[in-house]
Amino acid sequence: DAKTTQPNSMESNEEEPVHLPCNHSTISGTDYIHWYRQLPSQGPEYVIHGLTSNVNNRMASLAIAEDRKSSTLILHRATLRDAAVYYCILRDQGGSEKLVFGKGTKLTVNP
Amino acid sequence: NAGVMQNPRHLVRRRGQEARLRCSPMKGHSHVYWYRQLPEEGLKFMVYLQKENIIDESGMPKERFSAEFPKEGPSILRIQQVVRGDSAAYFCASSPRLGLAIYEQYFGPGTRLTVT
Repeated sequence: DAKTTQPNSMESNEEEPVHLPCNHSTISGTDYIHWYRQLPSQGPEYVIHGLTSNVNNRMASLAIAEDRKSSTLILHRATLRDAAVYYCILRDQGGSEKLVFGKGTKLTVNP
Repeated sequence: NAGVMQNPRHLVRRRGQEARLRCSPMKGHSHVYWYRQLPEEGLKFMVYLQKENIIDESGMPKERFSAEFPKEGPSILRIQQVVRGDSAAYFCASSPRLGLAIYEQYFGPGTRLTVT
């Protein structure tokens, strides 16, 4: 099952940055850190992934701790459309194809 | 470029009937995954298919559930003799895959199955 730990819920205000933490203390050297999110009544949506270095894309940034035992998804300016459940998932390159979803963090964005 | 398509979006079946859920992957994707989300629960992997092959069915219930991805046409998730506990949202995802690289999965909007 999922090998990550996330807070059950977080709250943010619109247009403020949001930092969503994820602990993965048993991560192996070949595990990639992936983030997906699921908006209400929709299918999950890929957000970002990384291995060791911090990553940026148009949706978010991913900050990975030096020891890789934790990471943080950063939404630079939250909007109401960012309200979703965010999942942090480890994927072993060359390993199982399936995504193992935990409970994720439910993000509420206040106007 | 159309995304992953699933139909129907909503399906109502009486207990004992069959449910057929269809998934058309994104253009150029040859790998399909099915996940199930029970009410108020997280997503659970069911099965992973390539064209004409089942690669991993470790999440499929042993009875009544089957999946296929034929050479032509969509992937089908089939549930025979449905029971109320099968009521859930069923999501399909697709991805390309080349060698050992892991690509992100693109999800469809889901089929919401209600068993009455």
